[in-house]
Amino acid sequence: DAGVIQSPRHEVTEMGQEVTLRCKPISGHDYLFWYRQTMMRGLELLIYFNNNVPIDDSGMPEDRFSAKMPNASFSTLKIQPSEPRDSAVYFCASSHPGPSSGNTIYFGEGSWLTVV
Amino acid sequence: LAKTTQPISMDSYEGQEVNITCSHNNIATNDYITWYQQFPSQGPRFIIQGYKTKVTNEVASLFIPADRKSSTLSLPRVSLSDTAVYYCLVGDSQAGTALIFGKGTTLSVSS
Repeated sequence: DAGVIQSPRHEVTEMGQEVTLRCKPISGHDYLFWYRQTMMRGLELLIYFNNNVPIDDSGMPEDRFSAKMPNASFSTLKIQPSEPRDSAVYFCASSHPGPSSGNTIYFGEGSWLTVV
Repeated sequence: LAKTTQPISMDSYEGQEVNITCSHNNIATNDYITWYQQFPSQGPRFIIQGYKTKVTNEVASLFIPADRKSSTLSLPRVSLSDTAVYYCLVGDSQAGTALIFGKGTTLSVSS
């Protein structure tokens, strides 16, 4: 299995620009999570989906952030307009909870975003 | 979701056994205890999971007392490559709720 695939791996953009991060979860996983990690705040859950439906988006910092999951194999996290304080590593993760897999969440390698 | 408390940092030397304890006083009946490891520039990686007593795999052991209000991750004979952040999480594996990561424990292994 290829694991969770994220793109781009690194992005540097100017303040005010739109940023779109992409994620392909592991095939067969019905949960998809977006996390953000910074030195100050650690690893924060932004939003998660179950069977392509957003379940909890209470972690999304503000209206500038939006996430979609149009099908089981693709999700996007969009920031519009971007601000320097959005600079962070954004992780996508997926899982298939159950008696055998338990709480195992599989993370991608992250998208490193720098907003200047 | 049950809140967890673990030490911010720990130091060790190569070859030593390292035990990281996590407190989760409000753990619920259906909650499992899961530990993740994160290296710099990588996403967290599953290490071990347990419900009660002891669980062992090729990487670590997890000790859970009868009251389940705490758990201890044990890393035998650590090496420099075990330097990482270790997260303790508690949640219901079948509820489909998302796992919330705390600050974790930064383990530094020296030679």
